[in-house]
Amino acid sequence: DVKVTQSSRYLVKRTGEKVFLECVQDMDHENMFWYRQDPGLGLRLIYFSYDVKMKEKGDIPEGYSVSREKKERFSLILESASTNQTSMYLCASSTSHRGVGETQYFGPGTRLLVL
Amino acid sequence: QQQVKQSPQSLIVQKGGISIINCAYENTAFDYFPWYQQFPGKGPALLIAIRPDVSEKKEGRFTISFNKSAKQFSLHIMDSQPGDSATYFCAAANTGFQKLVFGTGTRLLVSP
Repeated sequence: DVKVTQSSRYLVKRTGEKVFLECVQDMDHENMFWYRQDPGLGLRLIYFSYDVKMKEKGDIPEGYSVSREKKERFSLILESASTNQTSMYLCASSTSHRGVGETQYFGPGTRLLVL
Repeated sequence: QQQVKQSPQSLIVQKGGISIINCAYENTAFDYFPWYQQFPGKGPALLIAIRPDVSEKKEGRFTISFNKSAKQFSLHIMDSQPGDSATYFCAAANTGFQKLVFGTGTRLLVSP
């Protein structure tokens, strides 16, 4: 069974703080993704990574950065948290094998509140 | 920006009824169309998916109908149950890129 874990279920941070969200997958997947989920807006891709040390911007990368030093771990960094980054953050992973790699496996999410 | 438009935003169906959620896409290069189901407090999970070489795919009570010429696809839940109450997301992808473009989600409530 694929397992994607996220370091925190709930986080409360202050405006201007640096925030780290960690994601770990145990299926040796090549691809990892960070989304944010907001009511009425669905899932929006922030960043993704096809390999260790590789990263690509998604649709809403502003205010975020990522790090992938190991294959199983993908971190999302909010350099200076702002109130408009209050959201649910979802991590996902998938394999690169063609024909099956489209299935993304999601973690349970981190609900971040920025005060 | 590639888009997938999903409707309705919310849906209430009586137990035993049929739930229908619709999605439309713009990019004709999309060739993979999954539906994800998300329960409160959980991440989304793949429910069912279709490729454009077929017009319909059925798995149990869940059916995807696909209309390539109209660039539309829909999820039908037959004999809807209270346990189906969840948020449903359609998505689309070009398998060469493995990125999913998600719809905005539909919150389904099946009343007992």
